[in-house]
Amino acid sequence: AQSVTQPDIHITVSEGASLELRCNYSYGATPYLFWYVQSPGQGLQLLLKYFSGDTLVQGIKGFEAEFKRSQSSFNLRKPSVHWSDAAEYFCAVGPNRDDKIIFGKGTRLHILP
Amino acid sequence: DTGVSQNPRHKITKRGQNVTFRCDPISEHNRLYWYRQTLGQGPEFLTYFQNEAQLEKSRLLSDRFSAERPKGSFSTLEIQRTEQGDSAMYLCASSRATLTNNEQFFGPGTRLTVL
Repeated sequence: AQSVTQPDIHITVSEGASLELRCNYSYGATPYLFWYVQSPGQGLQLLLKYFSGDTLVQGIKGFEAEFKRSQSSFNLRKPSVHWSDAAEYFCAVGPNRDDKIIFGKGTRLHILP
Repeated sequence: DTGVSQNPRHKITKRGQNVTFRCDPISEHNRLYWYRQTLGQGPEFLTYFQNEAQLEKSRLLSDRFSAERPKGSFSTLEIQRTEQGDSAMYLCASSRATLTNNEQFFGPGTRLTVL
């Protein structure tokens, strides 16, 4: 069965520091991969997605993610975080373009001033 | 506002009561999805529609749950005889599925509390 693992429940970084959020997936074929962000009281917002092609994908708000098939990973990175990045981040996999999305349990990002 | 809207945003009910939530998708989006998110978890798929047809239902969707999208526009999710375990955030998403893209746009959710 398809699954997504986000090994870090909480991550704390200082403002201006770099960030990497880990994501591993289990899927039998080439997955469609997503990163979403959820702020309190807000809906889920898509940061970036990988369908095919270049394994390094750029997203909104200065985020990027790299698909590594050999490691079944799709880690999210940002070179310098801002206080407004504090939120919950979800990695997700889609079985195909037309089907449901399977989410990880999320990583809550805390930013120190 | 052209985003996905959900009503109500919050609902408190007593165990055993029925509740109904509404989702208005982005105009012209042919697909509509319902997810449930409990505390400390990621959203879990419940069901989805293409136009008015309900194409898939999760095993999470017990017989107390029913969803409709009668005219292929807005959708309702009804929970009958609510239980405390139904307390969660119910998220709706819509998409305009094409051959190259099926980005789902999420609404703000309806938070249900069952007392």
